[in-house]
Amino acid sequence: DIQMTQSSSYLSVSLGGRVTITCKASDHINNWLAWYQQKPGNAPRLLISGATSLETGVPSRFSGSGSGKDYTLSITSLQTEDVATYYCQQYWSTPYTFGGGTKLEIK
Amino acid sequence: DVQLQESGPGLVKPSQSLSLTCTVTGYSITSDYAWNWIRQFPGNKLEWMGYISYSGSTSYNPSLKSRISITRDTSKNQFFLQLNSVTTEDTATYYCARGLNWVFAYWGQGTLVTVSA
Repeated sequence: DIQMTQSSSYLSVSLGGRVTITCKASDHINNWLAWYQQKPGNAPRLLISGATSLETGVPSRFSGSGSGKDYTLSITSLQTEDVATYYCQQYWSTPYTFGGGTKLEIK
Repeated sequence: DVQLQESGPGLVKPSQSLSLTCTVTGYSITSDYAWNWIRQFPGNKLEWMGYISYSGSTSYNPSLKSRISITRDTSKNQFFLQLNSVTTEDTATYYCARGLNWVFAYWGQGTLVTVSA
């Protein structure tokens, strides 16, 4: 199985600030990487697929980058509604696996 | 728009079977896509469990392969999860989700299943 590691379990960011969430795969996943946002009591919401492709309706302050094993999700101009836990997921090979999550908090 | 809704018992005894239903509205499960079960453990770890495709083929997480079965009832536009020989470690929130190329864009609201005597 490919292991997905999000090195930061928690991040504290100021409103209006920029944050970068990192995700590292245990093997190359060729950009087959998705990012999800989850708020308490809700199911995860797909934000980005293919490492960089923003889903319809997702604000442009969200962006994804990376290649090989290393990927990032960036959020600029942080809003209160961005407070959530963010998960990466690889779909290069089965079983499809998720990172442990990064919880974003407002400083 | 497509909607998914999980249903089933919230409490299951150890060694018994867990059975859940996902009812899909707004899209036929025989038209396209893979129809998945994903669970989230206390502490928030997410685990993909398996899927049944629009054609009826299945794929399971090897960690569960001996205990899991995903089936469907096309007349009711439902698919099902059965997990056998459950233990307390199977306590989780269970989600059904529609997958395109193994990315999950549509999810149900989730249902909490507790395994306890």
